[in-house]
Amino acid sequence: NAGVTQTPKFRVLKTGQSMTLLCAQDMNHEYMYWYRQDPGMGLRLIHYSVGEGTTAKGEVPDGYNVSRLKKQNFLLGLESAAPSQTSVYFCASDSGRGTDTQYFGPGTRLTVL
Amino acid sequence: AQSVTQPDIHITVSEGASLELRCNYSYGATPYLFWYVQSPGQGLQLLLKYFSGDTLVQGIKGFEAEFKRSQSSFNLRKPSVHWSDAAEYFCAVGVDGYNKLIFGAGTRLAVHP
Repeated sequence: NAGVTQTPKFRVLKTGQSMTLLCAQDMNHEYMYWYRQDPGMGLRLIHYSVGEGTTAKGEVPDGYNVSRLKKQNFLLGLESAAPSQTSVYFCASDSGRGTDTQYFGPGTRLTVL
Repeated sequence: AQSVTQPDIHITVSEGASLELRCNYSYGATPYLFWYVQSPGQGLQLLLKYFSGDTLVQGIKGFEAEFKRSQSSFNLRKPSVHWSDAAEYFCAVGVDGYNKLIFGAGTRLAVHP
């Protein structure tokens, strides 16, 4: 039982390049989330999904797209990376019951030059 | 608007000393409250959570937190800190059905031997 895994762990992009971050969970969770963590700001929700085939915007969705084609996977895409997207990205998942715990992945450190 | 404030950015304590990390929230409805810990280079781990009932909540690693509705606070405490407790601590409130988390900016804890 690996929990929540994220690929890759580190990435450096040039401005304007695109990339996709992959999140996978093996806990059969319905809900999945993407957060970004910036110094002094805690974690902010980018997008989330309440089930396969569904996505919704969080606090800071601009510049990102997501897809949930399979229940166990949640992809975060940057179509045209900007330096402001330099951050640490965390994926999380939970069962969707309000009292459940969110489980977090180890994070992806992205630098945009 | 919902928000979480952690007034202390950095705290340093001596090993064996007691600890209290402050958290204040702003949320119109009954809050679901969480404390997470993040060790360097790691994802977030849940320490404890409050949904209802007893306002003193016990968590893992000897931590506890007390919900005080009149003060809109959910402070984290530990009677005797260990060097391994050095980490960053995040308070969060669950909103919109409690699955969306609003995080505070975090408190970085340093422990002196």
